[in-house]
Amino acid sequence: AQSVTQLGSHVSVSEGALVLLRCNYSSSVPPYLFWYVQYPNQGLQLLLKYTTGATLVKGINGFEAEFKKSETSFHLTKPSAHMSDAAEYFCAVSPAHSGGYQKVTFGTGTKLQVIP
Amino acid sequence: GAVVSQHPSWVICKSGTSVKIECRSLDFQATTMFWYRQFPKQSLMLMATSNEGSKATYEQGVEKDKFLINHASLTLSTLTVTSAHPEDSSFYICSARITGIYEQYFGPGTRLTVT
Repeated sequence: AQSVTQLGSHVSVSEGALVLLRCNYSSSVPPYLFWYVQYPNQGLQLLLKYTTGATLVKGINGFEAEFKKSETSFHLTKPSAHMSDAAEYFCAVSPAHSGGYQKVTFGTGTKLQVIP
Repeated sequence: GAVVSQHPSWVICKSGTSVKIECRSLDFQATTMFWYRQFPKQSLMLMATSNEGSKATYEQGVEKDKFLINHASLTLSTLTVTSAHPEDSSFYICSARITGIYEQYFGPGTRLTVT
């Protein structure tokens, strides 16, 4: 079984400030972890993913996330928020696969507001 | 690359009618496609997984006779909402996966409103 908890359904930051979106996961097996962004009335776009290797993962648009096994966390950060970052962000988890596709479970999302 | 399209992007239909939504992988072959449903201010809920040439696998609680999924080719999957009711109004999103690559590519979604 697997689950994702995103703390804070809404986060507001000032333009230029640090963005921190929190994600904790639960998985009975080693996980693959993802962050997606969704703009209004659009599908999801992959920001970054962790599968194996380096625990600090860099993604598009200046975002990065660090996989911390001991804390079962995969928080998303960006040093300086831009107005265009305003969107909804989803954390997702799936079991690391040894063959075949495994179901992805999404968190409930965090809406990021950027204040000018 | 790896573009997924959906058609229509927005549809309004009357209660009791059926609506078909298409999901196409434009520049790759997708052996597996997924259909999600998203209610306002909520996360994506997987409805079903479809593999080309075989029957879709539905998630628990999803009525397979109401939400008909056909994955007839490596680039097209369709979701038909039969005898739609207002409670079926939602945002439907498909995604596609390339064999051997552990990543889903999402379509832009279809907003269904049943009146």
